Amino acid sequence: GAGVSQSPSNKVTEKGKDVELRCDPISGHTALYWYRQRLGQGLEFLIYFQGNSAPDKSGLPSDRFSAERTGESVSTLTIQRTQQEDSAVYLCASSFGRQLNEKLFFGSGTQLSVL
Amino acid sequence: AQTVTQSQPEMSVQEAETVTLSCTYDTSESDYYLFWYKQPPSRQMILVIRQEAYKQQNATENRFSVNFQKAAKSFSLKISDSQLGDAAMYFCAYRSREGSQGNLIFGKGTKLSVKP
Repeated sequence: GAGVSQSPSNKVTEKGKDVELRCDPISGHTALYWYRQRLGQGLEFLIYFQGNSAPDKSGLPSDRFSAERTGESVSTLTIQRTQQEDSAVYLCASSFGRQLNEKLFFGSGTQLSVL
Repeated sequence: AQTVTQSQPEMSVQEAETVTLSCTYDTSESDYYLFWYKQPPSRQMILVIRQEAYKQQNATENRFSVNFQKAAKSFSLKISDSQLGDAAMYFCAYRSREGSQGNLIFGKGTKLSVKP
């Protein structure tokens, strides 16, 4: 597609429920990143994929968080047993995955609200 | 661990004027990359400008330029001839040349308002 697509745009869930957030990267981008942005804060790194492997998942805050990627395509971030502290915007980005100074292309994020 | 600090939560500028957004960072590394990203209300982060630490020359992109002071670990963004469309959150970010590609470290952002 033309850009990074994330769905849903907004998600409201009840505490304790599981949620899945989806990211469609730009075609041809081998690198994919998930970030979390709490209200009034900067972006927190969650996980990075190169192809369908995740060489760095150091930012996942707990074992309730997991992510997977199919080939060099769609990625899903799953949050199990959601807590109110999980409320945030979850941003996905992709890039060619060749250089450290390369531009990241971001989606518009999923606003997650846990009631 | 590296940290990025943006000391100005909010800034305001008159249309057509110049504004400078501050960013400082802490690192023990000698080679790294620095970025400024813009986040409009649409939430979609957009790269504004980037700088490689080993380059002494300050990066420029049209109306946007940086003042990179490596010794002071300072990386400020100057916006000249400000336009209404420049109103957004601006985030400074650091990426190490070592370790994971994914670890782009962001500051907390500066909200820029542009007055007509």
